[in-house]
Amino acid sequence: DTGVSQNPRHKITKRGQNVTFRCDPISEHNRLYWYRQTLGQGPEFLTYFQNEAQLEKSRLLSDRFSAERPKGSFSTLEIQRTEQGDSAMYLCASSRSGTSTDTQYFGPGTRLTVL
Amino acid sequence: AQTVTQSQPEMSVQEAETVTLSCTYDTSESDYYLFWYKQPPSRQMILVIRQEAYKQQNATENRFSVNFQKAAKSFSLKISDSQLGDAAMYFCAYRSPMEYGNKLVFGAGTILRVKS
Repeated sequence: DTGVSQNPRHKITKRGQNVTFRCDPISEHNRLYWYRQTLGQGPEFLTYFQNEAQLEKSRLLSDRFSAERPKGSFSTLEIQRTEQGDSAMYLCASSRSGTSTDTQYFGPGTRLTVL
Repeated sequence: AQTVTQSQPEMSVQEAETVTLSCTYDTSESDYYLFWYKQPPSRQMILVIRQEAYKQQNATENRFSVNFQKAAKSFSLKISDSQLGDAAMYFCAYRSPMEYGNKLVFGAGTILRVKS
């Protein structure tokens, strides 16, 4: 059983550029989540998928952010026209519905630096 | 909206000793789930322990146990026989019942340092 994987692990970009991150959940998990974590803080929820359906989006997810999970497996998070304030660790988590606690398991994250 | 507060930005413990990390939360819901996650430096977050609010019995996982006080909305984590590998940032997290959303709400975290 491989855990949640994320690519790339690090991304440095210039302000105004677009970036895309990928998350591969644990294979039998049908739920997938994106969080953002800034230095010294706890993660903040961005969005959540059940299978391919995006069921919830945070107000933190501005129009420049878009997430997809086209086949209910891996997911991508795209940030358009990056700003310095987008610099953060982007975490992906997955879980399996039907379990009592629906525990979320996290990937290693993608650290984004916007210059 | 639910909030989670971790009032201890940093804690230290001597190896083999016991330490307790505090967490309080605010909610109007009666059924929910609470979690402690550990995030070692530059490594991914891993689940330490979880508690269902409808269960009165405190959860235990080896050296880790919780003191869940529902009326006080308190959920502290006790680490016994602390080891060097326990050094990490610890996050307390809250999740509502499924029908109200599935996101985790995290506290700001507590850095735990373990001295040898």
